[in-house]
Amino acid sequence: DTGVSQNPRHKITKRGQNVTFRCDPISEHNRLYWYRQTLGQGPEFLTYFQNEAQLEKSRLLSDRFSAERPKGSFSTLEIQRTEQGDSAMYLCASSLISQGFGEQYFGPGTRLTVT
Amino acid sequence: ELKVEQNPLFLSMQEEKNYTIYCNYSTTSDRLYWYRQDPGKSLESLFVLLSNGAVKQEGRLMASLDTKARLSTLHITAAVHDLSATYFCAPRGHKLTFGKGTLLTVNP
Repeated sequence: DTGVSQNPRHKITKRGQNVTFRCDPISEHNRLYWYRQTLGQGPEFLTYFQNEAQLEKSRLLSDRFSAERPKGSFSTLEIQRTEQGDSAMYLCASSLISQGFGEQYFGPGTRLTVT
Repeated sequence: ELKVEQNPLFLSMQEEKNYTIYCNYSTTSDRLYWYRQDPGKSLESLFVLLSNGAVKQEGRLMASLDTKARLSTLHITAAVHDLSATYFCAPRGHKLTFGKGTLLTVNP
């Protein structure tokens, strides 16, 4: 399978707990993005990496959120002390910047429900 | 800050009729992407429009880009049920900025 994969696909957690999501990009893609999508809205940018370097973080990304991409391969997104407002679909995408279109390919997403 | 506005936000289509979705954006962008999202699913790339005047067609969908007007359109010809989904436009930056999407439903 050469697409972007994300795990878990669904996560239900209680308020105050920590959660971690994983994204495996398309092999050889050097850019990796995280987006968050709430019901009825378009995806909102959270952060992105080029190789292992985190180049930009949205102001939506509070101090409770942290993302890593060790060794420039898979990435993790951790949310500490979850709040009900964190309930959303978390989407990962990857792209190859040397590729002409710079097209981002999206994974299936992780749906987070905070109770 | 780039702002993206799609209209309409909801479109109830009759089969075999033609419709257009408009995507306006606020700052210069040299390319634009259209994505489709089915309920509960991720985003599927439909078109990449790379330059002013670009036009791409796939089946009953045709997308165009006018970078001077900061406008892209997605035209649907002879709507059919399997086109029911939410459609997003996203001008290119190093990150994508999406509109709110247009929810299309096709009724017999």
